[in-house]
Amino acid sequence: EVQLVQSGAEVKRPGESLTISCKTSGYSFTTHWIGWVRQMPGKGPEWMGVVYPGDSDVRYGPSFQGQVTISADKSINTAYLQWRSLKASDTAMYYCAKTDTSAYNNPFDHWGQGTLVTVSS
Amino acid sequence: DVQLTQSPSFLSASVGDRVTITCRASQGITGYLVWYQQKPGKAPKLLISAASTLQSGVPSRFSGSGSGTESTLTISSLQPEDFATYYCQQLNSYPPGTFGPGTRVDIK
Repeated sequence: EVQLVQSGAEVKRPGESLTISCKTSGYSFTTHWIGWVRQMPGKGPEWMGVVYPGDSDVRYGPSFQGQVTISADKSINTAYLQWRSLKASDTAMYYCAKTDTSAYNNPFDHWGQGTLVTVSS
Repeated sequence: DVQLTQSPSFLSASVGDRVTITCRASQGITGYLVWYQQKPGKAPKLLISAASTLQSGVPSRFSGSGSGTESTLTISSLQPEDFATYYCQQLNSYPPGTFGPGTRVDIK
């Protein structure tokens, strides 16, 4: 069974750093892209970017390039989303999800349960 | 960048109704369109890929069609568990992964 299990909710202050994780199992981690999707309160999903754990190739959506870092550790089948300096506007639910094939522009067929990030002073 | 619009943005329907949701792209995406269903507090669920390929386990009352700049999601007979928000997503043009604004389906 494919599983993506995300780390727990976070409450942070503006300017703080944060890394959230997505632990996967049940499929070949190194041959599928895994990505992150932001969903702000009451809004639709936004594609942030994806990483190919096999060679660490990363593709970012233009709104997120330079704002976050996406990475993966294939030794423990885990993907990460990192911020160096959080802003209040980063408050959102963040989902990790895997693509259904080895192509990066493919749909996400399995999703994590979401990690709520709240940034407030 | 490819922009997606969905219509309607909200619809109220009864159990058993036939429901059609349309997704329009600002440029041709030739079948690189997928549909997700999202219920409150849950992650999106992939329903249809490549405009018309039903995912395993998705009821056959769901169907997708279209090409070029327009795609439709049809629910042939709405069931109580179908009340949710539906999103299209394009995977053709860079940046890939753009989602539509969503269509919320509520109980009449």
